[in-house]
Amino acid sequence: GAGVSQTPSNKVTEKGKYVELRCDPISGHTALYWYRQSLGQGPEFLIYFQGTGAADDSGLPNDRFFAVRPEGSVSTLKIQRTERGDSAVYLCASSPTSGTGANVLTFGAGSRLTVL
Amino acid sequence: DQQVKQNSPSLSVQEGRISILNCDYTNSMFDYFLWYKKYPAEGPTFLISISSIKDKNEDGRFTVFLNKSAKHLSLHIVPSQPGDSAVYFCAARGTSNTGKLIFGQGTTLQVKP
Repeated sequence: GAGVSQTPSNKVTEKGKYVELRCDPISGHTALYWYRQSLGQGPEFLIYFQGTGAADDSGLPNDRFFAVRPEGSVSTLKIQRTERGDSAVYLCASSPTSGTGANVLTFGAGSRLTVL
Repeated sequence: DQQVKQNSPSLSVQEGRISILNCDYTNSMFDYFLWYKKYPAEGPTFLISISSIKDKNEDGRFTVFLNKSAKHLSLHIVPSQPGDSAVYFCAARGTSNTGKLIFGQGTTLQVKP
C-alpha cells in the first residue's frame, strides 16, 4: 500500500483481556518495527522483524507481549492478560533495508490501546 | 536512564523567525541521528537526518547541526511557518545499522502567525 496501515486505530479493553494489533507495512519493505508511545514520551522500541523472523525483540517488556510476521508482510502484535500500564499508542513502522531510505522508518498512525 | 534527551518540552516562536530545537545524548556509539515530526493523531514523519561523520546537514528550511564533542544536536527551522507547529522528536541509532532508534521525549513547537 501507499503507507503503513494499522488497525484498529482505537481499542478499549478490560484488564486481563487479550488484544491483537495489526500492521500492514509498505509493500516491499522487508524491515518492520513495533514501537510503543506513552503519554508525554517518545516512541520506545519493542521489536524488529527482518522478513519473517524477529531479528531483535529486546524491547518487549515481558512475556505477555508477542509479535509475529508469518509471511514477511503483515505483522500482529499480541498482548495477553492486559494491564492498565499497557495503555499507550502502539506504532508500527517499516523500511527498506537497502538503497535510498534504508533504515529510515515510515510510521503508521498507530493503534491507541486503553486498558480499563 | 534516558540516552536521548530533549530538555525543552515546548517552544513558541513567531512566524518568520528561527526555531531551534535541541537534543542531547549520552552514548558516544550512536552513529546516526534523525528528526521526526508528529502531528496529532498521525504517526511520526521523517524530517531530516545526519551521520556522525558530519556536523551539518541542510534540506530547504531545515538544518541539523551535530556537535559530537558536546553530544548535542539541534534542528533549525528558518523561516518558521504555522504549518511547522507539531511535536518534534530527536532519535539516535546505535551501530546496528537497523532502524532500531532511541527517541527523545519530544518538543512541542508552536509557530504563531
